[in-house]
Amino acid sequence: DAGVIQSPRHEVTEMGQEVTLRCKPISGHDYLFWYRQTMMRGLELLIYFNNNVPIDDSGMPEDRFSAKMPNASFSTLKIQPSEPRDSAVYFCASTSWAGGPSGANVLTFGAGSRLTVL
Amino acid sequence: AQTVTQSQPEMSVQEAETVTLSCTYDTSESNYYLFWYKQPPSRQMILVIRQEAYKQQNATENRFSVNFQKAAKSFSLKISDSQLGDTAMYFCAFLERNRDDKIIFGKGTRLHILP
Repeated sequence: DAGVIQSPRHEVTEMGQEVTLRCKPISGHDYLFWYRQTMMRGLELLIYFNNNVPIDDSGMPEDRFSAKMPNASFSTLKIQPSEPRDSAVYFCASTSWAGGPSGANVLTFGAGSRLTVL
Repeated sequence: AQTVTQSQPEMSVQEAETVTLSCTYDTSESNYYLFWYKQPPSRQMILVIRQEAYKQQNATENRFSVNFQKAAKSFSLKISDSQLGDTAMYFCAFLERNRDDKIIFGKGTRLHILP
């Protein structure tokens, strides 16, 4: 398996532009997470999906951020319009939590998308 | 709300020494899981070790081991015989399965292994 695949690896854009980050989870994983990493805030959970359905989006900073998962193999995180304070590394991660007391499987991360908004 | 606290923002040790990274968490539940992730300069997040709260035995993975103190809500990571390749950011993480399915991360400890 190629792991979790994110694109682009790097994105530089100007304030006000739309940014779309993409993620392909590991096949068979039914949970997908979007995290944002900054020096100040560390790793923040933005939103997560289970079976393509958004379960908790309480971490999405504001209405400029939106995420979709149209099918089990693809998710997007969109920022419109982008602002300099959105500059960060955005990680996608996926897993399959099995049932029962030992149901915590490994959360596998993609390589991240580094976003710079000028 | 669940919280994960890593009180050491940065540490440095000499190669071959043993180092312990601290982590505390807050929860009212008894069924949960704890993890340590490593993020080297390459930025890739890599699972180092995990611990189920219902297991009393501390998890070990080669040179990496944990000291899990459930009553104290403490979950420290010990790295023995440290190597230059251990230089990385280390994140403690927490998952409560009965409550929801999201992993919460601490702010991390930046570890430097010195030659």
